[in-house]
Amino acid sequence: AQSVTQLGSHVSVSEGALVLLRCNYSSSVPPYLFWYVQYPNQGLQLLLKYTTGATLVKGINGFEAEFKKSETSFHLTKPSAHMSDAAEYFCAVSEGTGGFKTIFGAGTRLFVKA
Amino acid sequence: EAGVAQSPRYKIIEKRQSVAFWCNPISGHATLYWYQQILGQGPKLLIQFQNNGVVDDSQLPKDRFSAERLKGVDSTLKIQPAKLEDSAVYLCASSLGSSRPTDTQYFGPGTRLTVL
Repeated sequence: AQSVTQLGSHVSVSEGALVLLRCNYSSSVPPYLFWYVQYPNQGLQLLLKYTTGATLVKGINGFEAEFKKSETSFHLTKPSAHMSDAAEYFCAVSEGTGGFKTIFGAGTRLFVKA
Repeated sequence: EAGVAQSPRYKIIEKRQSVAFWCNPISGHATLYWYQQILGQGPKLLIQFQNNGVVDDSQLPKDRFSAERLKGVDSTLKIQPAKLEDSAVYLCASSLGSSRPTDTQYFGPGTRLTVL
């Protein structure tokens, strides 16, 4: 069965510092992996996704994530945090065997300090 | 391109009352999803439609929750009767393809339900 674990419910960084949000998954088949961002009082917005091919995936707003099968991880990074990055971030996994279901992690709230 | 629309944005009801939420997906999107997001948790899929047929409703509490997608476009989600534990944000999402796991889901702003 699929599951997603996001390490750290809250992460705080200084503006200009590296952002690292951790995500580990479990899946019985090769997974499809997603990162979504949720700003206050808004719906989720896709940052990036891994389906097949290159394991380093680049997304919007300078974010990227690397799929590491051996570590069952899909960590999200950004070299330099901006105040506007403050939001909640969700990692998700989908499996594609017949029907599918997307499972979301519990989320990590990112705080950016001036 | 207009996004996913949901109404109302906020709803406060007392337990045992009924409530309905409405969703209008992005035009042309075949698949529609309803998620429940409890405070401090990630979204949990309640029901997934492909056009006007149900693909997955395994996590929908069918004794009190119902959903329909008439003509494969708009959808309504109803709770009757509501319980305190139903307090959550109800998110509607849509995707272009026919239930492919790689599809990007586009989310509406959600309806925040408070049950007193």
